[in-house]
Amino acid sequence: GAGVSQSPSNKVTEKGKDVELRCDPISGHTALYWYRQRLGQGLEFLIYFQGNSAPDKSGLPSDRFSAERTGESVSTLTIQRTQQEDSAVYLCASSLPQRTDTQYFGPGTRLTVL
Amino acid sequence: QQPVQSPQAVILREGEDAVINCSSSKALYSVHWYRQKHGEAPIFLMILLKGGEQKGHDKISASFNEKKQQSSLYLTASQLSYSGTYFCGTEKGDYKLSFGAGTTVTVRA
Repeated sequence: GAGVSQSPSNKVTEKGKDVELRCDPISGHTALYWYRQRLGQGLEFLIYFQGNSAPDKSGLPSDRFSAERTGESVSTLTIQRTQQEDSAVYLCASSLPQRTDTQYFGPGTRLTVL
Repeated sequence: QQPVQSPQAVILREGEDAVINCSSSKALYSVHWYRQKHGEAPIFLMILLKGGEQKGHDKISASFNEKKQQSSLYLTASQLSYSGTYFCGTEKGDYKLSFGAGTTVTVRA
């Protein structure tokens, strides 16, 4: 079946602009995660959605970052007033709700802030 | 808190073995291993849980020392396809993964 999809694949924006990144999880996956990966570095947890529970936003680096999820489907990550240090690949992953379930990653959105 | 991975990089010839280590200062519930090739999304390799349960590929082996909060991934008889960056993700019981900085593995013919 279809995997996790993300759009756009690449986004170049100017400093100070807002951007919106989209993630379509695998159908039936109630858990959804956003991660940030800076060049040559590991994955940094941003936010976690599980079904209809309140999201865990503990990884969001500043109040310029926000995310929403509609039920158990699409999620959007919004970065307001982008800064150059926001440049990174933003990865989305989805999984079934058990902690033993694999996280399936999307291809990512490469964000470049000029 | 981010787990610490070692080594940072390793170069192997086909058929050689390697061990990648991951350690945490926090009590762990599970350890997850992923491999990422350049420009691609990470792919799942293995989950190891407190208590000894494991899920993963039959060609990959790993261990989890609960007392030491350490995990090791064993690459045996390496193949060219094993090249990539290996990440461990540790979970303290809150379903969130903290990933290490990665170990870059290069397998040469």
